[in-house]
Amino acid sequence: KNEVEQSPQNLTAQEGEFITINCSYSVGISALHWLQQHPGGGIVSLFMLSSGKKKHGRLIATINIQEKHSSLHITASHPRDSAVYICAVTSDKLIFGTGTRLQVFP
Amino acid sequence: EAQVTQNPRYLITVTGKKLTVTCSQNMNHEYMSWYRQDPGLGLRQIYYSMNVEVTDKGDVPEGYKVSRKEKRNFPLILESPSPNQTSLYFCASSLLADKGTQYFGPGTRLLVL
Repeated sequence: KNEVEQSPQNLTAQEGEFITINCSYSVGISALHWLQQHPGGGIVSLFMLSSGKKKHGRLIATINIQEKHSSLHITASHPRDSAVYICAVTSDKLIFGTGTRLQVFP
Repeated sequence: EAQVTQNPRYLITVTGKKLTVTCSQNMNHEYMSWYRQDPGLGLRQIYYSMNVEVTDKGDVPEGYKVSRKEKRNFPLILESPSPNQTSLYFCASSLLADKGTQYFGPGTRLLVL
């Protein structure tokens, strides 16, 4: 069993929809990261959080330390949000989930 | 501009021909690491470095070497590449191992024939 599990693996949405991607982990962590990887391959850090909630534009990330669970929400989704979203946790090292592929259609 | 650079971006080579992928960061970060990304397996850590002259193995170190002689540079060396090392490679850095945003390089796509 992977130490970091993401769901769903694939997600399609219509432009404007509210999107949620989930991440569960089974190890003790000092931080959780949400990363975005566009089709070109580059990886960008969206959020790093250790408690509560963070918001950046249309993106919201939450974490529940007791339940070992985090969610990434995208409000008013847009085709340019199409990417792979990767959850990673900082334990004794950085451990990655396998990613959620999101496609947003106009 | 804060960034991590990698070179080359694309490389086709043959089995056994030594190669080096360079990685450099301009943020004075102590922690640097190398990952490979393969379909269905996600990102896996190859090697990491907590600071100058301090390196350690990650999850998949076989067939790779690294060095950290200067804080800004962390090259990845494949002494004798094999086809199973065909992959997309990323270098990353952060202020400390367990603190700070991760900054990733643009990736190096390697094909070993």
